[in-house]
Amino acid sequence: DSGVTQTPKHLITATGQRVTLRCSPRSGDLSVYWYQQSLDQGLQFLIQYYNGEERAKGNILERFSAQQFPDLHSELNLSSLELGDSALYFCASSPSEVAGVLAKNIQYFGAGTRLSVL
Amino acid sequence: AQSVTQLDSQVPVFEEAPVELRCNYSSSVSVYLFWYVQYPNQGLQLLLKYLSGSTLVESINGFEAELNKSQTSFHLRKPSVHISDTAEYFCAGILASARQLTFGSGTQLTVLP
Repeated sequence: DSGVTQTPKHLITATGQRVTLRCSPRSGDLSVYWYQQSLDQGLQFLIQYYNGEERAKGNILERFSAQQFPDLHSELNLSSLELGDSALYFCASSPSEVAGVLAKNIQYFGAGTRLSVL
Repeated sequence: AQSVTQLDSQVPVFEEAPVELRCNYSSSVSVYLFWYVQYPNQGLQLLLKYLSGSTLVESINGFEAELNKSQTSFHLRKPSVHISDTAEYFCAGILASARQLTFGSGTQLTVLP
């Protein structure tokens, strides 16, 4: 168990709808990262938050947004869903801002949310 | 050019045989390198990491990886695999410019009885 909790585990919805994915980081971790894993794109970094503020953006669509709350949990909002948004969405957390540079600042991943858009 | 390249998408191997999963990185990747493993229907787990020091790093379940700076490689090896090692393995590195974790495309290791 990585200590990172993601809910729900599975989500089935229809095109055009909006969903919210939730992530609780490991205790003490201030950074949260979101990734999308699909068959055609592989594992893609979407966005990072650190202590409530956006820190880095990757290949995140404008229809997607995220936020990190004062209690450090994070939500990823996906709107106007398309069939191609079907994927596994992972959240990861780390203690500080810059991933991997310090020995202690490793990213630990949650089990993911599997989104199916029908 | 891809920053982290995994050369094999599928590696089938018989149980108790040795295995090597290949990973190469580009110069845009700073030398902080990782291997993650994803078992079926699970999230990614950190297998091992290179941050500094000895170029040979080991995991608790018998895997090891060696950093070769001249060949810009960080191949993962295990001398004798088990059925339970069947999983997808991802090599990852930190992009020096963005300081974000970037993943290779993954290698599906299938251990056959």
